Amino acid sequence: EDQVTQSPEALRLQEGESSSLNCSYTVSGLRGLFWYRQDPGKGPEFLFTLYSAGEEKEKERLKATLTKKESFLHITAPKPEDSATYLCAVQGGGATNKLIFGTGTLLAVQP
Amino acid sequence: DAGVIQSPRHEVTEMGQEVTLRCKPISGHNSLFWYRQTMMRGLELLIYFNNNVPIDDSGMPEDRFSAKMPNASFSTLKIQPSEPRDSAVYFCASSFQNSPLHFGNGTRLTVT
Repeated sequence: EDQVTQSPEALRLQEGESSSLNCSYTVSGLRGLFWYRQDPGKGPEFLFTLYSAGEEKEKERLKATLTKKESFLHITAPKPEDSATYLCAVQGGGATNKLIFGTGTLLAVQP
Repeated sequence: DAGVIQSPRHEVTEMGQEVTLRCKPISGHNSLFWYRQTMMRGLELLIYFNNNVPIDDSGMPEDRFSAKMPNASFSTLKIQPSEPRDSAVYFCASSFQNSPLHFGNGTRLTVT
Protein backbone atom coordinates (compact mmCIF):
# COMPACT_ATOMS: atom_id res chain seq x y z
CA GLU A 1 0.00 0.00 0.00
CA ASP A 2 1.27 3.46 -0.92
CA GLN A 3 2.21 5.52 2.11
CA VAL A 4 3.54 9.00 2.83
CA THR A 5 4.99 10.17 6.16
CA GLN A 6 5.93 13.78 6.82
CA SER A 7 8.11 15.18 9.60
CA PRO A 8 8.14 17.14 11.71
CA GLU A 9 4.42 17.66 12.32
CA ALA A 10 5.10 21.27 13.24
CA LEU A 11 8.10 23.57 12.92
CA ARG A 12 8.66 27.04 14.29
CA LEU A 13 11.43 29.15 12.78
CA GLN A 14 12.73 32.64 13.22
CA GLU A 15 12.73 34.80 10.12
CA GLY A 16 15.92 34.02 8.19
CA GLU A 17 16.49 30.67 9.91
CA SER A 18 16.81 28.02 7.17
CA SER A 19 15.52 24.47 7.65
CA SER A 20 14.17 21.40 5.86
CA LEU A 21 10.94 19.43 5.86
CA ASN A 22 10.99 15.69 5.24
CA CYS A 23 8.66 13.44 3.26
CA SER A 24 9.29 9.70 3.37
CA TYR A 25 7.34 7.50 1.01
CA THR A 26 6.71 3.92 -0.01
CA VAL A 27 5.03 3.45 -3.35
CA SER A 28 4.99 0.87 -6.09
CA GLY A 29 6.27 2.56 -9.20
CA LEU A 30 6.60 6.24 -8.37
CA ARG A 31 5.24 8.38 -11.19
CA GLY A 32 5.57 11.66 -9.37
CA LEU A 33 6.08 13.29 -5.98
CA PHE A 34 4.21 16.53 -5.36
CA TRP A 35 4.60 19.36 -2.88
CA TYR A 36 1.66 21.60 -2.03
CA ARG A 37 1.24 24.59 0.24
CA GLN A 38 -2.00 25.05 2.20
CA ASP A 39 -3.03 28.29 3.91
CA PRO A 40 -5.79 28.34 6.58
CA GLY A 41 -9.25 28.16 5.05
CA LYS A 42 -7.89 27.45 1.59
CA GLY A 43 -7.30 24.44 -0.61
CA PRO A 44 -3.81 23.08 -1.26
CA GLU A 45 -1.82 25.07 -3.81
CA PHE A 46 0.59 23.27 -6.11
CA LEU A 47 4.32 24.00 -5.69
CA PHE A 48 6.46 21.30 -7.35
CA THR A 49 6.46 17.93 -9.07
CA LEU A 50 9.52 15.68 -8.93
CA TYR A 51 9.72 12.59 -11.12
CA SER A 52 13.02 10.82 -10.49
CA ALA A 53 15.73 10.48 -7.85
CA GLY A 54 18.28 13.27 -8.05
CA GLU A 55 15.85 15.78 -9.44
CA GLU A 56 15.62 19.24 -7.84
CA LYS A 57 13.14 22.10 -8.32
CA GLU A 58 13.35 25.65 -6.97
CA LYS A 59 10.89 28.47 -6.45
CA GLU A 60 11.92 31.60 -4.60
CA ARG A 61 13.07 30.48 -1.11
CA LEU A 62 11.95 26.87 -1.61
CA LYS A 63 13.90 23.98 -3.07
CA ALA A 64 12.58 20.42 -3.35
CA THR A 65 14.82 17.38 -3.75
CA LEU A 66 14.07 13.71 -4.30
CA THR A 67 15.75 10.39 -3.49
CA LYS A 68 14.41 6.86 -3.90
CA LYS A 69 12.95 6.90 -0.40
CA GLU A 70 12.29 10.51 0.55
CA SER A 71 11.95 14.12 -0.49
CA PHE A 72 13.07 17.26 1.25
CA LEU A 73 11.65 20.74 1.03
CA HIS A 74 14.43 23.14 1.91
CA ILE A 75 13.42 26.63 3.03
CA THR A 76 16.19 29.22 2.80
CA ALA A 77 15.96 32.43 4.83
CA PRO A 78 12.20 32.08 5.39
CA LYS A 79 9.87 35.03 5.80
CA PRO A 80 6.64 35.21 7.83
CA GLU A 81 4.64 34.87 4.60
CA ASP A 82 6.09 31.37 4.18
CA SER A 83 4.03 30.27 7.17
CA ALA A 84 1.61 27.56 6.00
CA THR A 85 1.08 23.82 6.04
CA TYR A 86 3.24 22.02 3.50
CA LEU A 87 1.83 18.79 2.08
CA CYS A 88 3.65 16.02 0.24
CA ALA A 89 1.86 13.56 -2.04
CA VAL A 90 2.81 10.64 -4.28
CA GLN A 91 1.34 9.31 -7.47
CA GLY A 92 1.95 5.61 -7.84
CA GLY A 93 2.07 3.26 -10.77
CA GLY A 94 -0.90 2.02 -12.72
CA ALA A 95 -3.47 3.75 -14.80
CA THR A 96 -4.81 6.03 -12.10
CA ASN A 97 -3.62 9.58 -11.43
CA LYS A 98 -4.82 9.88 -7.85
CA LEU A 99 -2.53 11.36 -5.20
CA ILE A 100 -1.85 9.92 -1.74
CA PHE A 101 -1.08 12.69 0.75
CA GLY A 102 0.92 12.89 3.95
CA THR A 103 -0.55 14.70 6.95
CA GLY A 104 1.62 17.76 6.40
CA THR A 105 4.07 19.96 8.27
CA LEU A 106 2.73 23.13 9.86
CA LEU A 107 5.40 25.82 9.46
CA ALA A 108 5.35 29.03 11.49
CA VAL A 109 7.93 31.71 10.72
CA GLN A 110 8.19 34.41 13.34
CA PRO A 111 9.46 37.92 12.56
CA ASP B 1 -9.75 31.16 -14.90
CA ALA B 2 -11.91 31.03 -11.77
CA GLY B 3 -10.36 27.80 -10.57
CA VAL B 4 -12.27 24.95 -8.97
CA ILE B 5 -15.47 26.28 -7.41
CA GLN B 6 -17.09 24.57 -4.44
CA SER B 7 -20.34 25.35 -2.69
CA PRO B 8 -21.36 25.90 -0.03
CA ARG B 9 -18.23 27.08 1.82
CA HIS B 10 -19.75 26.14 5.15
CA GLU B 11 -22.55 23.72 6.00
CA VAL B 12 -23.98 23.08 9.44
CA THR B 13 -26.59 20.37 9.72
CA GLU B 14 -28.14 18.04 12.22
CA MET B 15 -27.45 14.36 12.42
CA GLY B 16 -29.67 12.39 10.07
CA GLN B 17 -30.10 15.15 7.52
CA GLU B 18 -29.04 14.89 3.89
CA VAL B 19 -26.06 16.97 2.81
CA THR B 20 -25.11 17.79 -0.78
CA LEU B 21 -21.76 19.32 -1.66
CA ARG B 22 -21.17 20.78 -5.12
CA CYS B 23 -18.15 21.24 -7.34
CA LYS B 24 -17.45 22.94 -10.65
CA PRO B 25 -14.05 21.84 -12.02
CA ILE B 26 -11.75 23.93 -14.16
CA SER B 27 -12.98 24.02 -17.74
CA GLY B 28 -11.13 21.50 -19.90
CA HIS B 29 -10.02 19.30 -17.02
CA ASN B 30 -11.06 15.68 -17.46
CA SER B 31 -10.37 14.26 -13.99
CA LEU B 32 -12.21 15.20 -10.81
CA PHE B 33 -11.38 14.17 -7.26
CA TRP B 34 -13.21 14.40 -3.94
CA TYR B 35 -11.02 14.48 -0.83
CA ARG B 36 -11.84 14.76 2.86
CA GLN B 37 -9.50 16.48 5.32
CA THR B 38 -9.42 16.00 9.09
CA MET B 39 -6.80 16.79 11.68
CA MET B 40 -6.33 13.13 12.54
CA ARG B 41 -6.17 11.60 9.05
CA GLY B 42 -5.15 14.46 6.79
CA LEU B 43 -6.34 14.43 3.17
CA GLU B 44 -8.08 11.21 2.18
CA LEU B 45 -9.23 10.43 -1.34
CA LEU B 46 -12.91 9.50 -1.41
CA ILE B 47 -13.57 9.03 -5.12
CA TYR B 48 -12.33 10.18 -8.45
CA PHE B 49 -13.81 10.47 -11.93
CA ASN B 50 -12.15 10.38 -15.32
CA ASN B 51 -14.16 11.77 -18.24
CA ASN B 52 -17.24 11.82 -15.96
CA VAL B 53 -16.93 8.09 -15.14
CA PRO B 54 -16.16 6.97 -11.55
CA ILE B 55 -12.81 5.16 -11.63
CA ASP B 56 -11.99 4.52 -7.99
CA ASP B 57 -14.48 4.83 -5.14
CA SER B 58 -12.59 2.66 -2.67
CA GLY B 59 -12.18 5.60 -0.31
CA MET B 60 -15.91 6.21 0.09
CA PRO B 61 -16.52 5.42 3.78
CA GLU B 62 -19.82 3.62 3.44
CA ASP B 63 -23.11 3.51 1.60
CA ARG B 64 -24.20 6.79 3.15
CA PHE B 65 -21.82 8.53 0.75
CA SER B 66 -22.50 8.85 -2.96
CA ALA B 67 -21.01 10.96 -5.74
CA LYS B 68 -22.14 11.83 -9.22
CA MET B 69 -20.74 13.64 -12.20
CA PRO B 70 -23.58 14.17 -14.67
CA ASN B 71 -21.43 16.28 -17.01
CA ALA B 72 -17.91 17.63 -17.40
CA SER B 73 -18.66 20.83 -15.48
CA PHE B 74 -20.44 19.61 -12.36
CA SER B 75 -20.14 17.04 -9.60
CA THR B 76 -21.92 16.39 -6.32
CA LEU B 77 -21.03 14.52 -3.16
CA LYS B 78 -24.02 13.48 -1.10
CA ILE B 79 -24.17 12.18 2.46
CA GLN B 80 -27.46 10.64 3.57
CA PRO B 81 -27.98 10.36 6.48
CA SER B 82 -25.21 12.52 7.90
CA GLU B 83 -23.47 11.68 11.20
CA PRO B 84 -21.26 13.77 13.53
CA ARG B 85 -18.18 11.77 12.46
CA ASP B 86 -18.67 13.10 8.93
CA SER B 87 -17.62 16.55 10.15
CA ALA B 88 -14.58 17.56 8.10
CA VAL B 89 -13.47 19.80 5.24
CA TYR B 90 -14.36 18.33 1.87
CA PHE B 91 -12.23 19.32 -1.10
CA CYS B 92 -12.84 18.93 -4.77
CA ALA B 93 -9.89 18.95 -7.19
CA SER B 94 -9.53 18.68 -10.94
CA SER B 95 -6.74 17.99 -13.39
CA PHE B 96 -6.07 17.47 -17.06
CA GLN B 97 -4.43 14.13 -17.87
CA ASN B 98 -1.24 13.98 -15.74
CA SER B 99 -1.11 17.64 -14.76
CA PRO B 100 -1.04 18.55 -11.04
CA LEU B 101 -4.32 18.62 -9.17
CA HIS B 102 -5.96 22.02 -8.67
CA PHE B 103 -8.02 22.25 -5.51
CA GLY B 104 -11.05 24.30 -4.59
CA ASN B 105 -11.26 26.07 -1.24
CA GLY B 106 -13.36 23.34 0.29
CA THR B 107 -16.63 22.95 2.13
CA ARG B 108 -16.41 22.87 5.91
CA LEU B 109 -19.11 20.46 7.10
CA THR B 110 -20.29 20.37 10.70
CA VAL B 111 -22.82 17.74 11.72
CA THR B 112 -24.31 18.26 15.19
